[in-house]
Amino acid sequence: SQTIHQWPATLVQPVGSPLSLECTVEGTSNPNLYWYRQAAGRGLQLLFYSVGIGQISSEVPQNLSASRPQDRQFILSSKKLLLSDSGFYLCAWSLEGRRPQHFGDGTRLSIL
Amino acid sequence: GESVGLHLPTLSVQEGDNSIINCAYSNSASDYFIWYKQESGKGPQFIIDIRSNMDKRQGQRVTVLLNKTVKHLSLQIAATQPGDSAVYFCAEIKGTGNQFYFGTGTSLTVIP
Repeated sequence: SQTIHQWPATLVQPVGSPLSLECTVEGTSNPNLYWYRQAAGRGLQLLFYSVGIGQISSEVPQNLSASRPQDRQFILSSKKLLLSDSGFYLCAWSLEGRRPQHFGDGTRLSIL
Repeated sequence: GESVGLHLPTLSVQEGDNSIINCAYSNSASDYFIWYKQESGKGPQFIIDIRSNMDKRQGQRVTVLLNKTVKHLSLQIAATQPGDSAVYFCAEIKGTGNQFYFGTGTSLTVIP
């Protein structure tokens, strides 16, 4: 069966520090991968998605970037965090076509 | 109990009653819809999906209804249990892409 792992579960970082969140998927090949951000009490905002290694699409202009160095690895990064980058970050995967996305348990990021 | 999607973000029901959570979508070209359940501090969990060529789909204790005429989606939960307390999101795929668009969600509280 397929599983998705995100780490760390929680992270506290100072303003201006770099960020690297990692997501890996097991049990499937060539998945579509997604990064979302969820503000408290709000819906999910799509940040990036990828349909293959090295292929990244950005949905919103921001202080973040994403990379997919391997088929089942998706990384969310920032060179300098802002206070507004605080939130709950979720990684998801899906197969091609009309299929559900499956989410990891997220990373709670707090910027001080 | 019944909610009206984005305009009534909370719903309280008595244990054992049926729950109805509603969602309105805007794009008549959307052809795939999903309901997710999100418990506090966790990622969204897939509940049930429906394609636009269907009006109704049933799962275990859950039913999704799709009314394309008025662009309305609902999730019915039978015999609601305390473990059903969570935030429920509808999501749609618009057009030809693989990107889901999520509603704000409805918070369901089950009263024992």
